[in-house]
Amino acid sequence: SQTIHQWPATLVQPVGSPLSLECTVEGTSNPNLYWYRQAAGRGLQLLFYSVGIGQISSEVPQNLSASRPQDRQFILSSKKLLLSDSGFYLCAWTDRGGNEKLFFGSGTQLSVL
Amino acid sequence: RKEVEQDPGPFNVPEGATVAFNCTYSNSASQSFFWYRQDCRKEPKLLMSVYSSGNEDGRFTAQLNRASQYISLLIRDSKLSDSATYLCVVNIRGRALTFGSGTRLQVQP
Repeated sequence: SQTIHQWPATLVQPVGSPLSLECTVEGTSNPNLYWYRQAAGRGLQLLFYSVGIGQISSEVPQNLSASRPQDRQFILSSKKLLLSDSGFYLCAWTDRGGNEKLFFGSGTQLSVL
Repeated sequence: RKEVEQDPGPFNVPEGATVAFNCTYSNSASQSFFWYRQDCRKEPKLLMSVYSSGNEDGRFTAQLNRASQYISLLIRDSKLSDSATYLCVVNIRGRALTFGSGTRLQVQP
């Protein structure tokens, strides 16, 4: 069965520090991968999605970047965090076979202080 | 106008009550529809897909009205464990899933 792992679960970082969040998927090949952010009490905002290795699409201009160095690995990064980067970050995947159902990792609660 | 709109609630209902949520979407090219459930500080989890003919899963019934561009979720015989935020999700061809902001349900003893 397919599983998605995301870490760390919580992270407290000072303003201006770098960020690296990692997500891996097991049990499937060629997944579509996504990074979402959820601000407190708000809906999910799509940040990036990827349909293959090295292929990244950005939905909104921001202080963050994403990379997909391997088929089942998706990384969210920042060189210098801003206060506004605080939020709940969720990695997710769908398969390529027409199944549109989205499965999420357990999320990372990021607090930038 | 948001692409997917939901009443944020909260809906406070007693155990055993029936509660319904609606969600409207703005893009008539939307193709598929889902309800997700999200517990506090947890990831969203798929609750059910929504089909044009309507579909039921136990105490949960989902309906789609393409003409009026809304979907609904009905929960019968509410349980305390149903307390959560319910997210309406829409898929438009060629784009990633679009989420509503969610409707919060609080079932009270």
